[in-house]
Amino acid sequence: QKEVEQDPGPLSVPEGAIVSLNCTYSNSAFQYFMWYRQYSRKGPELLMYTYSSGNKEDGRFTAQVDKSSKYISLFIRDSQPSDSATYLCAIAGAGSYQLTFGKGTKLSVIP
Amino acid sequence: DGGITQSPKYLFRKEGQNVTLSCEQNLNHDAMYWYRQDPGQGLRLIYYSQIVNDFQKGDIAEGYSVSREKKESFPLTVTSAQKNPTAFYLCASRARGAGEKLFFGSGTQLSVL
Repeated sequence: QKEVEQDPGPLSVPEGAIVSLNCTYSNSAFQYFMWYRQYSRKGPELLMYTYSSGNKEDGRFTAQVDKSSKYISLFIRDSQPSDSATYLCAIAGAGSYQLTFGKGTKLSVIP
Repeated sequence: DGGITQSPKYLFRKEGQNVTLSCEQNLNHDAMYWYRQDPGQGLRLIYYSQIVNDFQKGDIAEGYSVSREKKESFPLTVTSAQKNPTAFYLCASRARGAGEKLFFGSGTQLSVL
């Protein structure tokens, strides 16, 4: 079983839709959960960062972590064409200098 | 502005040639990383360094070499032993400590002539 699983998509939604992106993981020791957004041929930029379980909201973006189910989610409300990008989840354990990345989900928001 | 600078943006390698990708950061971060990104493969770790003059192999280190002579700099050399070097290469850095956030440069696209 891979450490982090992420559906690669592609996912296509109309403008204004609510988008749900998800990752599952296998190692219960993971404690730090991140979402990165990557535009084509650009470096990933950190979008959301969560420690342990719970929700975190930043504008139109909400990150959720369910450690009991080993499941993390990113919700995008009122999606915009500028949200079209690849979204990568990344997870790290305590004391680890390495992040484990999902393969990324490619999202297209259609005007 | 603080950040991570990768150069060049595009690089072409001839058969049998070694090429070096530059990565410089002014964030005062201790740890630096090199990732390779291929379509559909996600990010794969090549090498990482936690302190100056020390570095460790990642998952796909064969055909690559690095050095860490300065805190700010972590160049990656793609050697002629790397038979499939065409990919998008990303440098990243983070501060010391558990759970510190990872920040990326803008990437270098390497292609074979």
